[in-house]
Amino acid sequence: AQSVTQPDIHITVSEGASLELRCNYSYGATPYLFWYVQSPGQGLQLLLKYFSGDTLVQGIKGFEAEFKRSQSSFNLRKPSVHWSDAAEYFCAAYNQGGKLIFGQGTELSVKP
Amino acid sequence: NAGVTQTPKFRILKIGQSMTLQCTQDMNHNYMYWYRQDPGMGLKLIYYSVGAGITDKGEVPNGYNVSRSTTEDFPLRLELAAPSQTSVYFCASSPAGGPNNEQFFGPGTRLTVL
Repeated sequence: AQSVTQPDIHITVSEGASLELRCNYSYGATPYLFWYVQSPGQGLQLLLKYFSGDTLVQGIKGFEAEFKRSQSSFNLRKPSVHWSDAAEYFCAAYNQGGKLIFGQGTELSVKP
Repeated sequence: NAGVTQTPKFRILKIGQSMTLQCTQDMNHNYMYWYRQDPGMGLKLIYYSVGAGITDKGEVPNGYNVSRSTTEDFPLRLELAAPSQTSVYFCASSPAGGPNNEQFFGPGTRLTVL
């Protein structure tokens, strides 16, 4: 069965530092991949998505993600983190049944 | 344009009680979804609907019921609450199904069953 794995439950970075959140998927065909952000007390918001083509995709709020088929990864990056980026981040993919499946989530804390 | 709204925001139930989680969207979306989010487990699909009068089970439907009498509303019913249903519940909607149609999420309902 398809699955999405986020190995890091919690990450802390200093404000202004770079960020990389990891996501691995198991899927035979080219997957449809997504990153969502959940700020405290809010619903999930779509940051970016990858369907095909250029493996580096740009999203909102200065985020980008790179699809690497050889590593079955879709890691999320940001060059310089702001305090407002503190949130929980979910990687997701569409499975063969046409349903969105989510990783476990990574909670990001930002130190001043 | 409020998007997807959910009520209540918080609720504590006793074992065996019942309740309905409300979800309304004002985007005229055909598809609506209910997810539950458990710590360290990500979101799991409970039920979904592709239009008024049509609902189907997701990955974890046991203990829940849904109805879709209008395009706007998609309530989730818990008949006999159990501690295992302690979770955060998210409602979402999309214009249609599939990866080309973004799902928009409500702010969630945090439910505790004691």
